[in-house]
Amino acid sequence: GAGVSQSPRYKVTKRGQDVALRCDPISGHVSLYWYRQALGQGPEFLTYFNYEAQQDKSGLPNDRFSAERPEGSISTLTIQRTEQRDSAMYRCASSLGGGSSGNTIYFGEGSWLTVV
Amino acid sequence: GNSVTQMEGPVTLSEEAFLTINCTYTATGYPSLFWYVQYPGEGLQLLLKATKADDKGSNKGFEATYRKETTSFHLEKGSVQVSDSAVYFCALSEYGGSQGNLIFGKGTKLSVKP
Repeated sequence: GAGVSQSPRYKVTKRGQDVALRCDPISGHVSLYWYRQALGQGPEFLTYFNYEAQQDKSGLPNDRFSAERPEGSISTLTIQRTEQRDSAMYRCASSLGGGSSGNTIYFGEGSWLTVV
Repeated sequence: GNSVTQMEGPVTLSEEAFLTINCTYTATGYPSLFWYVQYPGEGLQLLLKATKADDKGSNKGFEATYRKETTSFHLEKGSVQVSDSAVYFCALSEYGGSQGNLIFGKGTKLSVKP
């Protein structure tokens, strides 16, 4: 597609429920990244993929968070048993190829998650 | 660990005023440095970048120079416009690492009044 597309844009869920956030990267982009941004803070790295392989998941805060990209394109970030502290904007980004500082990454508009 | 510190906002300026948003970093090795901008209702966009010491990144009238001796990457613009109103994020990535593993500052909100 023309840009990185994320859905849903806004999600309100009850504490304890599972949520899935979807990211559709720019067509042909090899690398895909997930970030989390709390209100008044900068984005924090969660995880990234090259094709379908998860290269780094060091930023995932705990085992309730997981991400997949089974066919090397669309990715899903899943949060199980949501807690109020999970409320944040979740940003997806993609780039042509990882491992090079010359590749610009493009961010989507983000998914706002509110856990009540 | 690596970190980025940028001046807290909000910053309010009149149109045509000079802008400086300070950014300093702590990093091992030789990071690449970036400024991202988020306009209202839009996603984060790369504004400019510099990949080594003394490089100057520039775009849309904005400039920032990678100063290794002061570990700084301050954003400047000589004459701001109302359309520059946005949140600006300074960020770094470690040398040799994927640009996507960015470490961001907290952001500085800029409001430009006509």
